Amino acid sequence: EAQVTQNPRYLITVTGKKLTVTCSQNMNHEYMSWYRQDPGLGLRQIYYSMNVEVTDKGDVPEGYKVSRKEKRNFPLILESPSPNQTSLYFCASRPLAGQETQYFGPGTRLLVL
Amino acid sequence: RKEVEQDPGPFNVPEGATVAFNCTYSNSASQSFFWYRQDCRKEPKLLMSVYSSGNEDGRFTAQLNRASQYISLLIRDSKLSDSATYLCVVSPNSGGYQKVTFGTGTKLQVIP
Repeated sequence: EAQVTQNPRYLITVTGKKLTVTCSQNMNHEYMSWYRQDPGLGLRQIYYSMNVEVTDKGDVPEGYKVSRKEKRNFPLILESPSPNQTSLYFCASRPLAGQETQYFGPGTRLLVL
Repeated sequence: RKEVEQDPGPFNVPEGATVAFNCTYSNSASQSFFWYRQDCRKEPKLLMSVYSSGNEDGRFTAQLNRASQYISLLIRDSKLSDSATYLCVVSPNSGGYQKVTFGTGTKLQVIP
């Protein structure tokens, strides 16, 4: 089954404790992206990647890091989480060519205390 | 002005009603337009792309008005299962790197 998976789905952590949210897709998509969703602000792009070893900042990259060592994986790293990073995070992927829709992962709910 | 604006709602409509949402965008160079549906606490899923000539998929009709820079979504014969948040998505280009901008969504509640 074609899908995007994220882990963990729910996470409660404390300020400053490094964490990684994994994202994996099995559709051989070149393009992958991370979004955060907050009430009243909609989905905002954090980082995106157009292929292996090619990443770039989205609209709200501060406090986040990403890596793309393999085509299927695109982890999101919070080196020192802060309470303002409490949010719902979505990973998405799509082929680079054409106007195909983005496929979203199920989301990760993060609470930073 | 926001890049993409939607009325947040909620729109409370009875079953069987027809409901329409609009979404305005500020970048006149935008080329790709989509409507996504998002159920509570779930991931967004593509409902339909919006083509220049307009398009229809069953009870759903999407329209694009480039002159006034808005897209619309019409839902006929609303079902309880249509209750969700509808996100408008706009992109300045097609293919390649596609920076998409999401609206904040319009919440629809269909009432029995």
